[in-house]
Amino acid sequence: EVQLVESGGGLVKPGESLRITCAASGFMFRSYNMNWVRQAPGKGLEWVASITSNNGHISYADSVRGRFTISRDNARSSLYLQMNSLSAEDTAVYFCARERQLLWHIDYWGQGTLVTVSS
Amino acid sequence: EIVLTQSPGTLSLSPGERVTLSCRASQSVSNNYLAWYQQKPGQAPTLLIYGASSRATGIPDRFSGSGSGTDFTLNIRRLEPEDFAVYYCHQYGGSPRTFGQGTKLEIK
Repeated sequence: EVQLVESGGGLVKPGESLRITCAASGFMFRSYNMNWVRQAPGKGLEWVASITSNNGHISYADSVRGRFTISRDNARSSLYLQMNSLSAEDTAVYFCARERQLLWHIDYWGQGTLVTVSS
Repeated sequence: EIVLTQSPGTLSLSPGERVTLSCRASQSVSNNYLAWYQQKPGQAPTLLIYGASSRATGIPDRFSGSGSGTDFTLNIRRLEPEDFAVYYCHQYGGSPRTFGQGTKLEIK
């Protein structure tokens, strides 16, 4: 069974940093492209970043480029999002999401971790 | 960036009814790479449809997707109580990936 479990969310102050983690299991993690998608409270879904299976290609939304860094450790089946210079607009539930091989759609999502940026 | 506009914003219907949700793209979606997700409160989205019309594994056949280019629809025939949720369309044919703003399906 595919499982994606996010952790590391919490309350931080504006300007601070936070790293969130997604632990994957139930599939061959190293073979899949992965994404982070976020959802502000009461709002819709916003794609944040993606990384290919072999770290060969990384993409970011304009809203986070230069502040966030996506990375992965295939040996640990883990996906990371390092978030710097956080602001209130980054407050959201952050979902880890798997991309289906060769078809490119997101097929599995974790339950999300809440990041709250407030003074 | 491809902007996806979903309509209507909210729909109030009764179980047993049929519903059509619309998703319009600001430009053609490459390869019809358009997916639909269902999200219930406090839960992660669940994949319903990918490639505009392919049903995901385990999704009941009362859900169907259609469309191409810039106009896509999600049809649900004979609404069940568990179908009342928010539905999002998502294009993954262009960079960046984008989502529609969602359609909320509520019980009348």
